Amino acid sequence: GIQVEQSPPDLILQEGANSTLRCNFSDSVNNLQWFHQNPWGQLINLFYIPSGTKQNGRLSATTVATERYSLLYISSSQTTDSGVYFCAVESRTGGSYIPTFGRGTSLIVHP
Amino acid sequence: DTGVSQNPRHKITKRGQNVTFRCDPISEHNRLYWYRQTLGQGPEFLTYFQNEAQLEKSRLLSDRFSAERPKGSFSTLEIQRTEQGDSAMYLCASSSLTGGNNEQFFGPGTRLTVL
Repeated sequence: GIQVEQSPPDLILQEGANSTLRCNFSDSVNNLQWFHQNPWGQLINLFYIPSGTKQNGRLSATTVATERYSLLYISSSQTTDSGVYFCAVESRTGGSYIPTFGRGTSLIVHP
Repeated sequence: DTGVSQNPRHKITKRGQNVTFRCDPISEHNRLYWYRQTLGQGPEFLTYFQNEAQLEKSRLLSDRFSAERPKGSFSTLEIQRTEQGDSAMYLCASSSLTGGNNEQFFGPGTRLTVL
């Protein structure tokens, strides 16, 4: 099946710093989403971005589907950005579309 | 705003017991997914439905796991003869598959502890 690799696995920042999270995938995909999982376990939608670039406030994302990667940019980080960031793709396997998550990037933002 | 809801939020059971979890998707969403998440890992896909049809179930972890969506609305996930290794967070998500957009929205999860 498809492999989804996220880097870095862990990231520690000082408040106000910028960061880039990467998601590489091993095969063509139909869909790609970025999520933030808060300390209570809730997965919060950040971007639905199978291709192209989107921005939402301090966050932006770019997916280059032909090169099989996506990037999530966090600017001027805040302590509330702490948590785990997941990339999830959907790929066709047989006759079905199967979602696959990466292992996540754990982000800690210190005040 | 009625997002995806899951019940119960927590379940503690003894090994060997059966448990059933419920998921209510966002209204009008025709796809519904079940995942399992263990500590330090990303969610692991188990199965999904389009309306009442279960389109993929080969990723269910064993024959002790089953899921239903009898009327194409809410869904249940049952684990029979629970084992300690079944302890995990069970997540449900739904999507509308409108215009090729299959953005999934997740519920808060059910945390299962098997003693």
